[in-house]
Amino acid sequence: AQRVTQPEKLLSVFKGAPVELKCNYSYSGSPELFWYVQYSRQRLQLLLRHISRESIKGFTADLNKGETSFHLKKPFAQEEDSAMYYCALMGWGSSNTGKLIFGQGTTLQVKP
Amino acid sequence: DSGVTQTPKHLITATGQRVTLRCSPRSGDLSVYWYQQSLDQGLQFLIQYYNGEERAKGNILERFSAQQFPDLHSELNLSSLELGDSALYFCASSARLAGKGGELFFGEGSRLTVL
Repeated sequence: AQRVTQPEKLLSVFKGAPVELKCNYSYSGSPELFWYVQYSRQRLQLLLRHISRESIKGFTADLNKGETSFHLKKPFAQEEDSAMYYCALMGWGSSNTGKLIFGQGTTLQVKP
Repeated sequence: DSGVTQTPKHLITATGQRVTLRCSPRSGDLSVYWYQQSLDQGLQFLIQYYNGEERAKGNILERFSAQQFPDLHSELNLSSLELGDSALYFCASSARLAGKGGELFFGEGSRLTVL
């Protein structure tokens, strides 16, 4: 089964504290994983993708195939990071069609 | 602005009614996806269309249906509405069948409230 699990519904930290948003996945084969962000229940935007191995707004995420995890990290949280974060997996079905499967989302609240 | 347009932004209706949500994808994008976002279920994939054809189906109820028209805009029809259908319905588009590296471009959503 193709599944994404984000165990925390809410993560609350103080400004300047490190942040780790957890994501675990279930997928047979080579996964494609992404983090999307949604500010103030507006439109979702792509934050980063594992194949790029990039750092966006100070966030990084490393794919750990052994632990089937793709946790999102930032060393020093900023108030503007407060948002809903979704981990997503590109799941491939028949006819080579892919669909993005999202986790339940984690609300990050950065307190001043 | 992602270039994906959804109408209406807000809709309030009664149980048993039928509504149609509309999505215009980014210019040139052939793939359209519909997602339902509710407080308890998170973001659930409903259905995907590519160039007018249905290509993938998720947890879409039988009371719901969708289509993509020749001009590539898509409509999601929700009928016999129930209180539990109240949610934010997102449309997303991508250039290719499975998205370019997985990037979908989302609209701002249509907030449906069923009373």
